[in-house]
Amino acid sequence: GAGVSQSPRYKVAKRGQDVALRCDPISGHVSLFWYQQALGQGPEFLTYFQNEAQLDKSGLPSDRFFAERPEGSVSTLKIQRTQQEDSAVYLCASSSGTAFNYGYTFGSGTRLTVV
Amino acid sequence: GDSVTQMEGPVTLSEEAFLTINCTYTATGYPSLFWYVQYPGEGLQLLLKATKADDKGSNKGFEATYRKETTSFHLEKGSVQVSDSAVYFCALINQAGTALIFGKGTTLSVSS
Repeated sequence: GAGVSQSPRYKVAKRGQDVALRCDPISGHVSLFWYQQALGQGPEFLTYFQNEAQLDKSGLPSDRFFAERPEGSVSTLKIQRTQQEDSAVYLCASSSGTAFNYGYTFGSGTRLTVV
Repeated sequence: GDSVTQMEGPVTLSEEAFLTINCTYTATGYPSLFWYVQYPGEGLQLLLKATKADDKGSNKGFEATYRKETTSFHLEKGSVQVSDSAVYFCALINQAGTALIFGKGTTLSVSS
């Protein structure tokens, strides 16, 4: 597609519920990133994939967070047993290269609200 | 660890005023530096970047110069427009080269 697509745009979850957030990167983009943006803050890195390999997951805040990209294209970020502090906008970005100087294209994000 | 500090907002200006948004960083070595912009209801967009010391990034009338002496990358524009109203984020690439580290963002509001 023309851009990075994320779904759903908005998600309301009850505390303790599991959620799955989807990212469709730009076709052919090798690198895919997930970021978490709390209200009034800058995005914070969660994890990085190069094709299907998860090369960096140092930003995942707990073992309730899990990400996958099994075929090297679409990625899913799963949050188990959601808690109120998980409320944030989750951003996905993709890049055509593996070197950091390639431009990232961000999606519009999924706004997760845990009630 | 690596970090980015940018000036607190909101910044409120009249159209055609001069804009400066300060950004300083702490990092090992000389990472690439970026400014991203987030317009209301839209995703983050790369505004400009600089990859080495003394480089000047520019785009849409915005400029920023990579100053290693002062570890700064301040964003400037000579004459802002109402359409520049947005949140601006300063960022750097982490040492591993795998992630962007962002500042907290500065909201710019321009009135006519």
